[in-house]
Amino acid sequence: AQTVTQSQPEMSVQEAETVTLSCTYDTSESDYYLFWYKQPPSRQMILVIRQEAYKQQNATENRFSVNFQKAAKSFSLKISDSQLGDAAMYFCAYKRGSQGNLIFGKGTKLSVKP
Amino acid sequence: DAMVIQNPRYQVTQFGKPVTLSCSQTLNHNVMYWYQQKSSQAPKLLFHYYDKDFNNEADTPDNFQSRRPNTSFCFLDIRSPGLGDAAMYLCATSFSTGMFAEQFFGPGTRLTVL
Repeated sequence: AQTVTQSQPEMSVQEAETVTLSCTYDTSESDYYLFWYKQPPSRQMILVIRQEAYKQQNATENRFSVNFQKAAKSFSLKISDSQLGDAAMYFCAYKRGSQGNLIFGKGTKLSVKP
Repeated sequence: DAMVIQNPRYQVTQFGKPVTLSCSQTLNHNVMYWYQQKSSQAPKLLFHYYDKDFNNEADTPDNFQSRRPNTSFCFLDIRSPGLGDAAMYLCATSFSTGMFAEQFFGPGTRLTVL
């Protein structure tokens, strides 16, 4: 069975600094998607960035980028120039084939200090 | 704006008293999902509908049922809530179950069982 592990329950970053959130996963599949979702307090979860396993180039969305290491089964999220609005719970998720369901990690709570 | 709406945002019920949570969407998506998210845990898929086809996860208790009367609405019924069912329940939608298909989440309903 696939599993997703986020080893950092909480992280803190100074405003304007860079922070990296870790995620590892376990799978025997060769093609799959990986996602980072952001869940602000009392608000809905939104997609931050996604990466297809077949693509070697790391995905980038403005201040958010990933470091995808397929052989190591690692998928970390880097947030550059952190802003107060980045404070949230961040979930790493895995999806394979056409099964539909996302398999989430337990999340990392990110605090941003002014 | 197109969105996923969940009502109510907070629901209190008594042990053993049936409760229904509601989800609606204006995205006209084919797939609707229900996730259970307990405190400090990863969201866990309970089941999903692809159009009218119901797909139950193998480990979802029989106590949880779902209805999808039309494209826009999906309901989660908990027949006899136990204390262990207290959680945040997240509804999500996607156009398809393909790997690339982004899931859009509602804000969740927090269920308290007294």
